[in-house]
Amino acid sequence: DTAVSQTPKYLVTQMGNDKSIKCEQNLGHDTMYWYKQDSKKFLKIMFSYNNKELIINETVPNRFSPKSPDKAHLNLHINSLELGDSAVYFCASSQGGASGANVLTFGAGSRLTVL
Amino acid sequence: RKEVEQDPGPFNVPEGATVAFNCTYSNSASQSFFWYRQDCRKEPKLLMSVYSSGNEDGRFTAQLNRASQYISLLIRDSKLSDSATYLCVVNRSYNDYKLSFGAGTTVTVRA
Repeated sequence: DTAVSQTPKYLVTQMGNDKSIKCEQNLGHDTMYWYKQDSKKFLKIMFSYNNKELIINETVPNRFSPKSPDKAHLNLHINSLELGDSAVYFCASSQGGASGANVLTFGAGSRLTVL
Repeated sequence: RKEVEQDPGPFNVPEGATVAFNCTYSNSASQSFFWYRQDCRKEPKLLMSVYSSGNEDGRFTAQLNRASQYISLLIRDSKLSDSATYLCVVNRSYNDYKLSFGAGTTVTVRA
């Protein structure tokens, strides 16, 4: 049973479209994250939710909107996709408070290609 | 200056060799340090934490040098399965949700 699962795994779309990526974790973790890994391989945090409350919102264009309907789910919606949005988006979760954030469990990633 | 910098490699080593590489961090107040491993086109996974006194986990040894602000990872008796990208990860404080990731050091172990 996959601990952190995200869908879709691959997404190819045209510039200007709107798309969503979904994430679910069955670990009972309190905190969930979205990370972006670009072609240079840097993993950058975008958002984090703790018990459905937004706790991290990095400098991300407001075309990106996260939603956490409950602590086991964190979705990412992207409006008006641009070429520069092409990347792998990883969902992750961690146990407990901030001290538990050091140990992240990642999903398999969603590879977004914007044409 | 990037928060976490790593030599991207690649380090190409034969099976059985020892390979070591470092990672430097810019924030002297950083508290927590980790190595994550990422296989090609896969997600990162925690390899080990790095403790002040240095620590081992099987063939892997991690060291922290606070004075020079770097951490290191040494892999002894390399296996083919050690081929991966090793990500250096730093937390500014123990109770911070934001981890800073390096871009990774690629290790390729050849038969």
